[in-house]
Amino acid sequence: KNEVEQSPQNLTAQEGEFITINCSYSVGISALHWLQQHPGGGIVSLFMLSSGKKKHGRLIATINIQEKHSSLHITASHPRDSAVYICAVRSYNTDKLIFGTGTRLQVFP
Amino acid sequence: NAGVTQTPKFRILKIGQSMTLQCTQDMNHNYMYWYRQDPGMGLKLIYYSVGAGITDKGEVPNGYNVSRSTTEDFPLRLELAAPSQTSVYFCASSYSPPAGLYNEQFFGPGTRLTVL
Repeated sequence: KNEVEQSPQNLTAQEGEFITINCSYSVGISALHWLQQHPGGGIVSLFMLSSGKKKHGRLIATINIQEKHSSLHITASHPRDSAVYICAVRSYNTDKLIFGTGTRLQVFP
Repeated sequence: NAGVTQTPKFRILKIGQSMTLQCTQDMNHNYMYWYRQDPGMGLKLIYYSVGAGITDKGEVPNGYNVSRSTTEDFPLRLELAAPSQTSVYFCASSYSPPAGLYNEQFFGPGTRLTVL
């Protein structure tokens, strides 16, 4: 079983829909990252959080440390949001990032 | 600032050939990383460096070597290419230590390597 599990693996949506991507992990962590990988392959960091909630534009990330779970929400989704969203946790023991396999999101007009 | 740059973007190698993947960052970051991304798998750490002259193995270091002679450059060397090394390789850098508050990693555009 992977230490970081994301669901769903694939997600399609109509423009304007509210999107939720989930991440569960089984190790002790010091931080959790959400990353976006564009269709061309480039990876950018969206959020780093260790508690609570963060918001940036239409993106919201939450984390529940007790339940070892994080969610990434996209409000009013747009075709340009189409990408792979990757959850990564920083292991408390090793300080290294452990990556999930990603959620592929496609938003249609 | 160019951020993190990688060359080449694409490369096809024959089994047994060697090559160096170049990575350069212009953000004066001490921490640099090499990852590989295989289809359907999460990124795996190959090697990392906490500063010039200091490197250490990650999760999947076999078949690779690195050096860090300057703060800016962190090349990854494949000595005897094997089909199992077919992957997309990402270089990344960060400002602070891994456990630091500002440890966002900045990624390069990736190198797609095929070994035939």
